Amino acid sequence: DSGVTQTPKHLITATGQRVTLRCSPRSGDLSVYWYQQSLDQGLQFLIQYYNGEERAKGNILERFSAQQFPDLHSELNLSSLELGDSALYFCASQAGTGGGIQYFGAGTRLSVL
Amino acid sequence: GESVGLHLPTLSVQEGDNSIINCAYSNSASDYFIWYKQESGKGPQFIIDIRSNMDKRQGQRVTVLLNKTVKHLSLQIAATQPGDSAVYFCAERAAGANNLFFGTGTRLTVIP
Repeated sequence: DSGVTQTPKHLITATGQRVTLRCSPRSGDLSVYWYQQSLDQGLQFLIQYYNGEERAKGNILERFSAQQFPDLHSELNLSSLELGDSALYFCASQAGTGGGIQYFGAGTRLSVL
Repeated sequence: GESVGLHLPTLSVQEGDNSIINCAYSNSASDYFIWYKQESGKGPQFIIDIRSNMDKRQGQRVTVLLNKTVKHLSLQIAATQPGDSAVYFCAERAAGANNLFFGTGTRLTVIP
């Protein structure tokens, strides 16, 4: 058990809808990273938050947004969903920022029908 | 969880043999490297990491080798066990960056 909790485990929704994925980092970790894993693109970095502030941005679509709350949990919001958004979404937490071990949650499997 | 799927490099080894999983990286400015193991239905699990000022690091049954000259990273697993069957990812971090850049992964299958 990595100590990182993601909910829900599975999400099935329709095109055009909006969903929210939730991540609770390991106790004491200040950074949360979000990744998308799909069959044809491997693990793609989306966005990082550190202590409530956005720190780094990857290939995140404008339809996607995230935030980190004062209690350090994070949410990834996906809107106007398309079939191609079906993927596994992982969050990872890290004590600080920059180099260091990122600990991953079990992921949320999103299926857009 | 699935990863790259059809185009995922694969490696099959006999139980008890040593495994070597290779990874080529492209950014000569990367200063931190890490290996993860991902079993089906689970998130990536940390195995071992190495900083660019080192060329070898050992853990329990695993060794990571870094060759900066040819930008190559390898993971050696000693006495491979069926529980080692998984997809293995290498990842790199460019100096000054926050995020990791992941490779495409290698699927390791251990034959009993």
